[in-house]
Amino acid sequence: DTGVSQDPRHKITKRGQNVTFRCDPISEHNRLYWYRQTLGQGPEFLTYFQNEAQLEKSRLLSDRFSAERPKGSFSTLEIQRTEQGDSAMYLCASSLDYRGQAQPQHFGDGTRLSIL
Amino acid sequence: EDQVTQSPEALRLQEGESSSLNCSYTVSGLRGLFWYRQDPGKGPEFLFTLYSAGEEKEKERLKATLTKKESFLHITAPKPEDSATYLCAVQANDYKLSFGAGTTVTVRA
Repeated sequence: DTGVSQDPRHKITKRGQNVTFRCDPISEHNRLYWYRQTLGQGPEFLTYFQNEAQLEKSRLLSDRFSAERPKGSFSTLEIQRTEQGDSAMYLCASSLDYRGQAQPQHFGDGTRLSIL
Repeated sequence: EDQVTQSPEALRLQEGESSSLNCSYTVSGLRGLFWYRQDPGKGPEFLFTLYSAGEEKEKERLKATLTKKESFLHITAPKPEDSATYLCAVQANDYKLSFGAGTTVTVRA
């Protein structure tokens, strides 16, 4: 069973640049989530997809952030005009929607973003 | 808004010294409570799901329990490899997990 894969693992960029992260979920999972985690805190929800449809976005997701999941497979998260406050670990998770019961979300190892 | 509070923030144990971690939550309509383990530089690793008060789950030296207001993660006779940050999360709606800040456990040999 291949787990959730994220690329790149680390990204260092200058303030004002655009960055894009990729997430490949567990193949049979139809739900995909993005979270952000800062040092000493738990992950915070950003957005989620059911198949290719983006169904919910957090207030944390400003206009500079956009996420896509074409064809319901991999997903990308883009941050435009990065700011210092965007420095964080960006985590992707996936799960299987099963009979309405809450299912565990399985996480990748994240992309650590550092803004210079 | 869902609230999850974990205590203590940090726990230092001697190998073999059993202890418990607490997760207190406030949520309207709990659909599931999840425990994760997170190692430095890694993503959270799923441990347990608890759905209703009174439920218990066990895995090796870990045991998770659930009441209507809190959950406990008991670590029995811990080993150094149990050192990690343990995260608790609640799900009240169809999709979003709300996490606590975690408890960092250090087990000394």
